[in-house]
Amino acid sequence: GAVVSQHPSWVICKSGTSVKIECRSLDFQATTMFWYRQFPKQSLMLMATSNEGSKATYEQGVEKDKFLINHASLTLSTLTVTSAHPEDSSFYICSARDSGAAGNHEQYFGPGTRLTVT
Amino acid sequence: GENVEQHPSTLSVQEGDSAVIKCTYSDSASNYFPWYKQELGKRPQLIIDIRSNVGEKKDQRIAVTLNKTAKHFSLHITETQPEDSAVYFCAHRPSGSARQLTFGSGTQLTVLP
Repeated sequence: GAVVSQHPSWVICKSGTSVKIECRSLDFQATTMFWYRQFPKQSLMLMATSNEGSKATYEQGVEKDKFLINHASLTLSTLTVTSAHPEDSSFYICSARDSGAAGNHEQYFGPGTRLTVT
Repeated sequence: GENVEQHPSTLSVQEGDSAVIKCTYSDSASNYFPWYKQELGKRPQLIIDIRSNVGEKKDQRIAVTLNKTAKHFSLHITETQPEDSAVYFCAHRPSGSARQLTFGSGTQLTVLP
């Protein structure tokens, strides 16, 4: 099946610094990728939809200037958490759909990135 | 709207018994309803999904039923095993959503040996 990778799997950073998380589709192309955030014992909350070659679409309440998304190729989307604060500590998960698989509704999830801001 | 309500939030069953988790949605144009299993610290894993043109789908011990009129869909796990213990999320894709999924709040299933 389709594979989505994320890097890093975990990261600890100091408050005020920036962290970049990469999401890659390994064996398929994805014109659209999705970034979710999951706090402990909570559901996955969609942060933004990343579109290849264009600006990301952010969900209500998500600051686009704080969570920078770049989708420069059909297999790579990056999320940069700028000026991170302890409240940004969370599990960040990306997902993607296979653009070449017509009628395939399945979303493939990355393994997630555990961000801890101290 | 796009919300989906999931019940119960926690569910404990004895090994071998069945478990049922139910989700209710409001967007009548939703057309895709997947169920995910998530173990602690891991990615969500798709376990079964159903499209709006089908009422029921089964895969071994797992089945999903969809009632479009009532706008609810349910996950059924039979002959539960301890390894079924995890958090289960329902999801749906609202109309006009550019393909993203909206998730339910999750159900912590515990299968007692």
